[in-house]
Amino acid sequence: EAGVTQFPSHSVIEKGQTVTLRCDPISGHDNLYWYRRVMGKEIKFLLHFVKESKQDESGMPNNRFLAERTGGTYSTLKVQPAELEDSGVYFCASSHRGGRPYNEQFFGPGTRLTVL
Amino acid sequence: AQSVTQLGSHVSVSEGALVLLRCNYSSSVPPYLFWYVQYPNQGLQLLLKYTTGATLVKGINGFEAEFKKSETSFHLTKPSAHMSDAAEYFCAVSEGTSGTYKYIFGTGTRLKVLA
Repeated sequence: EAGVTQFPSHSVIEKGQTVTLRCDPISGHDNLYWYRRVMGKEIKFLLHFVKESKQDESGMPNNRFLAERTGGTYSTLKVQPAELEDSGVYFCASSHRGGRPYNEQFFGPGTRLTVL
Repeated sequence: AQSVTQLGSHVSVSEGALVLLRCNYSSSVPPYLFWYVQYPNQGLQLLLKYTTGATLVKGINGFEAEFKKSETSFHLTKPSAHMSDAAEYFCAVSEGTSGTYKYIFGTGTRLKVLA
């Protein structure tokens, strides 16, 4: 069974540009999460999809970030326009069921975003 | 809101020595606690989790953790470190309400194993 995949693995862009990150969850997993780790700090929750619906987007930093999950399969996270403080590692995770606090989330390797 | 504190951003141990990675949590409700490990260029992988019941939890690769409510701790241990244990370790607590839960992570501890 393939794990969670993320593309690209690295992205270097200039301030003001647009970047789109992609996440493919494990097949059959309805729940998809985005997290971010700014260098040296903790991994922080961004948002949670159940199928194509946003269940919780309380962690999204501002309206420069747009997440979508059309058709309930893969998800994209667009940053437009990117700022220096957006640099970090963006993780995607998925789980089969999200309605229990003890459910395991399966993580992808992350996308390292550097904004210059 | 719940929180997690990991003491020591970097820990070094000799091969064969005891591994002890510390995690303390803050929670107003019974916590669900997790330890994840990240090897270079890989995603986070679940080592073990505490839900309810037995307070000593055994995980993969010889790791275990003990939930101590009185100390609000969930420290990760392994009796004998192996070179392959070198990685970054994250403690997390699950937070949310019915239908949606998210992880609250600590800042991570990078383990170095010395030959």
